[in-house]
Amino acid sequence: TQLLEQSPQFLSIQEGENLTVYCNSSSVFSSLQWYRQEPGEGPVLLVTVVTGGEVKKLKRLTFQFGDARKDSSLHITAAQPGDTGLYLCAGVGSGGSNYKLTFGKGTLLTVNP
Amino acid sequence: SQTIHQWPATLVQPVGSPLSLECTVEGTSNPNLYWYRQAAGRGLQLLFYSVGIGQISSEVPQNLSASRPQDRQFILSSKKLLLSDSGFYLCAWALGTGPLDGYTFGSGTRLTVV
Repeated sequence: TQLLEQSPQFLSIQEGENLTVYCNSSSVFSSLQWYRQEPGEGPVLLVTVVTGGEVKKLKRLTFQFGDARKDSSLHITAAQPGDTGLYLCAGVGSGGSNYKLTFGKGTLLTVNP
Repeated sequence: SQTIHQWPATLVQPVGSPLSLECTVEGTSNPNLYWYRQAAGRGLQLLFYSVGIGQISSEVPQNLSASRPQDRQFILSSKKLLLSDSGFYLCAWALGTGPLDGYTFGSGTRLTVV
């Protein structure tokens, strides 16, 4: 079973601060995806990282895939209240399990104005 | 464009009653379909997935079942609900199984079993 551990579980910060959340596993993944979920809604895909060491930027969000493709991080610069939500990482298996994603438990981010 | 519909949005059911949640996808053909359950603080748990009509794979033993009677329709059912079935149920679809194929989720059904 491939497990993804996300940290921290909860994060409460003030508007304008920077933050980083982590997604770690002992397993290798073909790719890692990051989703954001708002209360009462389904998760929405933010980005997919595929290559070890890859860095992708989406406005104030920077995503990095570890060199060994076992971990990933999400860094938010100058957080805004609109960034509030549950951030989930999900991994695509590296062999024989490409039909389904394995999700972490998520990091619940609150950005206070 | 592709859209995914999931209903109902909320549901309160007594213990022992049956359940039927429906999910339909529009604008695509032969999608991979998924049912997830999200309990508070426990992330997303995969319940069932389907790669084609009539093809269902179960991930977790439980009193739930799934069916795919049509290409773009996925149904989650139970004959008798348990209290532990309460949660947020999410349907999702993906076009393929490659590393770049992200999921598109429906807006979810909040099920409370009382």
